[in-house]
Amino acid sequence: GAGVSQTPSNKVTEKGKYVELRCDPISGHTALYWYRQSLGQGPEFLIYFQGTGAADDSGLPNDRFFAVRPEGSVSTLKIQRTERGDSAVYLCASSLGLAYTGELFFGEGSRLTVL
Amino acid sequence: AQSVTQPDIHITVSEGASLELRCNYSYGATPYLFWYVQSPGQGLQLLLKYFSGDTLVQGIKGFEAEFKRSQSSFNLRKPSVHWSDAAEYFCAELNAGNMLTFGGGTRLMVKP
Repeated sequence: GAGVSQTPSNKVTEKGKYVELRCDPISGHTALYWYRQSLGQGPEFLIYFQGTGAADDSGLPNDRFFAVRPEGSVSTLKIQRTERGDSAVYLCASSLGLAYTGELFFGEGSRLTVL
Repeated sequence: AQSVTQPDIHITVSEGASLELRCNYSYGATPYLFWYVQSPGQGLQLLLKYFSGDTLVQGIKGFEAEFKRSQSSFNLRKPSVHWSDAAEYFCAELNAGNMLTFGGGTRLMVKP
């Protein structure tokens, strides 16, 4: 597609459930980033992939969060045993190379609400 | 720890008035700095970036920003605001790990 696509756009779940959020980056972009944006705050870094491997996952808040990018394109962010505090907009971004070489292109985000 | 500070949470300006949004960064002698805009229902869009060179950078939609090392600032400006500029604006800095650290954002409202 023309831009970064994220699905679902909205997800409502119950506390304790498992959630998957998908990101389809711009074709040919090797770098992929996940950010989390809580209400009234700026995006916070979660994890970044260069190709298939997670180059930095230092932003993942705990071991309930996991992300994969098995073929170097689509990425899935997985959240186990969701908690109310996980409610936020999860943003995905991709870039042609590393961030300092060019622009990050962001998707519209997946809004997660945990009841 | 690296931080990006946007002191103003909300700003309201009249249409046609000038605008300045403040940003202070804390990391690096030669920072890589960015301004993004987020409109309702849309993804973050890059307005402009500073890597090196001329300290006054021009961006899209008539925005510009000035890097001032002595003040650790990278303020965003626009000479004449349009109603369509109402949005949330984020300043960001690239860290050594190649991730963007964002400020808390400034929500701009434009009065007719």
